[in-house]
Amino acid sequence: ELKVEQNPLFLSMQEGKNYTIYCNYSTTSDRLYWYRQDPGKSLESLFVLLSNGAVKQEGRLMASLDTKARLSTLHITAAVHDLSATYFCAVDIETSGSRLTFGEGTQLTVNP
Amino acid sequence: EAGVTQFPSHSVIEKGQTVTLRCDPISGHDNLYWYRRVMGKEIKFLLHFVKESKQDESGMPNNRFLAERTGGTYSTLKVQPAELEDSGVYFCASSLPPWRGVAQDPNTEAFFGQGTRLTVV
Repeated sequence: ELKVEQNPLFLSMQEGKNYTIYCNYSTTSDRLYWYRQDPGKSLESLFVLLSNGAVKQEGRLMASLDTKARLSTLHITAAVHDLSATYFCAVDIETSGSRLTFGEGTQLTVNP
Repeated sequence: EAGVTQFPSHSVIEKGQTVTLRCDPISGHDNLYWYRRVMGKEIKFLLHFVKESKQDESGMPNNRFLAERTGGTYSTLKVQPAELEDSGVYFCASSLPPWRGVAQDPNTEAFFGQGTRLTVV
């Protein structure tokens, strides 16, 4: 059974600081996704990582994928309050059809 | 363009009652998925429709849960009778083909609704 683990689950940081969220998964994966959710809102797709060594950046967020280590990271640079949200990683494997397996989510709070 | 919409946004019911959640996917999206997040844990897959057919319902927890998608448009998820452990946030998502593509590409990405928060007391 595919398992996806995120850490930390809760992260409180100050504006201007850098931090990394980690996502480990247990089985070879075809794709890894990062989503953001604001309270009461839908999940917003941030990144899709398709291959080993893939790196994608959008604003203060950068995601990377190491398929050999079965690890993805979401790095936050110079955090701002607007980044406060819950971040999920999710993995799909071809044998699971179109089903995504999610991590537990990381609740990020950026304090002024 | 309207996104995926879910109704209600929040429901509080007593144990043993019945609740029906509704999901309206993006128009034209054949693929519709239900997921739920229980007690702040991971978001778990429930089932996948292709048009009106259940493609994969392996994530449905038990026979108290019934999902339908008559006519291949909107979908309902009924919980009958509801138990305390059914509390959580139920998400719906839709996509054109099954999503295995690239984010930000409207032809392949899956779009999520805002979720229905179900509280069983």
